[in-house]
Amino acid sequence: DQQVKQNSPSLSVQEGRISILNCDYTNSMFDYFLWYKKYPAEGPTFLISISSIKDKNEDGRFTVFLNKSAKHLSLHIVPSQPGDSAVYFCAASDGVSLVFGQGTRLTINP
Amino acid sequence: DTAVSQTPKYLVTQMGNDKSIKCEQNLGHDTMYWYKQDSKKFLKIMFSYNNKELIINETVPNRFSPKSPDKAHLNLHINSLELGDSAVYFCASSQDRAGGLVREQFFGPGTRLTVL
Repeated sequence: DQQVKQNSPSLSVQEGRISILNCDYTNSMFDYFLWYKKYPAEGPTFLISISSIKDKNEDGRFTVFLNKSAKHLSLHIVPSQPGDSAVYFCAASDGVSLVFGQGTRLTINP
Repeated sequence: DTAVSQTPKYLVTQMGNDKSIKCEQNLGHDTMYWYKQDSKKFLKIMFSYNNKELIINETVPNRFSPKSPDKAHLNLHINSLELGDSAVYFCASSQDRAGGLVREQFFGPGTRLTVL
């Protein structure tokens, strides 16, 4: 039973445009959500997070939106840059552990 | 200076062998983890250690045994390796928040294990 799902295995976006990555979860005990970025042959790198008491958190080009009623979160990257090409994992925390989605491969085209 | 390091980066071995993967973190974090990324790319928690004590032990075969000699190290020993153990193993660490809540985790570069 996959508690955190990223239904798009891949996404291709033109440089300069907005990239939107989506994530759905099923466990209402999750109260903290994170996005990680992963390059090939490297470990995941923490990108941005959001607490369940908020619906938006912004850090530079990266914004995470949380819709608790829909159990949905999204990561917006604007403007998208070639260096953003990577696999993005969303993760949810219940305070004890992290549960990861299966990742979305983002490709930024010049 | 690498925050979370793992050795080796690549490990190729025969079925039935016993092997270890080492992990060290220099962040002063209280909690360390082992994750397995399988062929479908899912990252799944295997173990969690807090101050040298086992906190989480997901359903993994008892051929896998974590060992934490101190707060900065968490090693993973695997006995009688099987073909299905082939995967990338990631070590991670985190600093507990107030109330012991676990939030951001910092990952090592991963160890790609191939069992032939």
